[in-house]
Amino acid sequence: DAKTTQPNSMESNEEEPVHLPCNHSTISGTDYIHWYRQLPSQGPEYVIHGLTSNVNNRMASLAIAEDRKSSTLILHRATLRDAAVYYCILRDVKRSARQLTFGSGTQLTVLP
Amino acid sequence: AAGVIQSPRHLIKEKRETATLKCYPIPRHDTVYWYQQGPGQDPQFLISFYEKMQSDKGSIPDRFSAQQFSDYHSELNMSSLELGDSALYFCASSSTGEGDEKLFFGSGTQLSVL
Repeated sequence: DAKTTQPNSMESNEEEPVHLPCNHSTISGTDYIHWYRQLPSQGPEYVIHGLTSNVNNRMASLAIAEDRKSSTLILHRATLRDAAVYYCILRDVKRSARQLTFGSGTQLTVLP
Repeated sequence: AAGVIQSPRHLIKEKRETATLKCYPIPRHDTVYWYQQGPGQDPQFLISFYEKMQSDKGSIPDRFSAQQFSDYHSELNMSSLELGDSALYFCASSSTGEGDEKLFFGSGTQLSVL
């Protein structure tokens, strides 16, 4: 699977937007970009995913670079409940294996 | 909405004992995944099942085995437990899609080996 690179940690102030970057320079044309987050003592939780176009849902937005070599997860108004580890994961639609391979995510701290 | 259910929530075992973890996927989900997360580590994929057949295998020790039953629930059996097996074990489920399907995770079983 193609590799992703994320900053180890980021901080944000409550009620401000947060932009979480992810680099994936070796992405293939059939890789979907998935974002999951893990709150303390909980299982990972789906956030958003996309292939080529920017995506929005009730939790977040996903901005994908035109060359697809990077993407940014955007939380529009961070709350204390958004403090979690955020994982950017590539998943090849052509592969038969469906599991997610977690790398080192970004620990987001939200300051009150 | 129904979620993935794991039991037990906590389990304490002695070295060399055996443990069985159970996972009940979301109804109509056909794939189950098991992950292990050690303290301060990221989740590591162990094994998965699709329609009751093993579909992929990760870094699962030979001492561990798993299966998926006719009602789609899955069990992870762990024998000859070691101190290093102490971890959070997550189960996830999904329904077959086009490769972009979401995984839904349970709350995990915290296994402590003393």
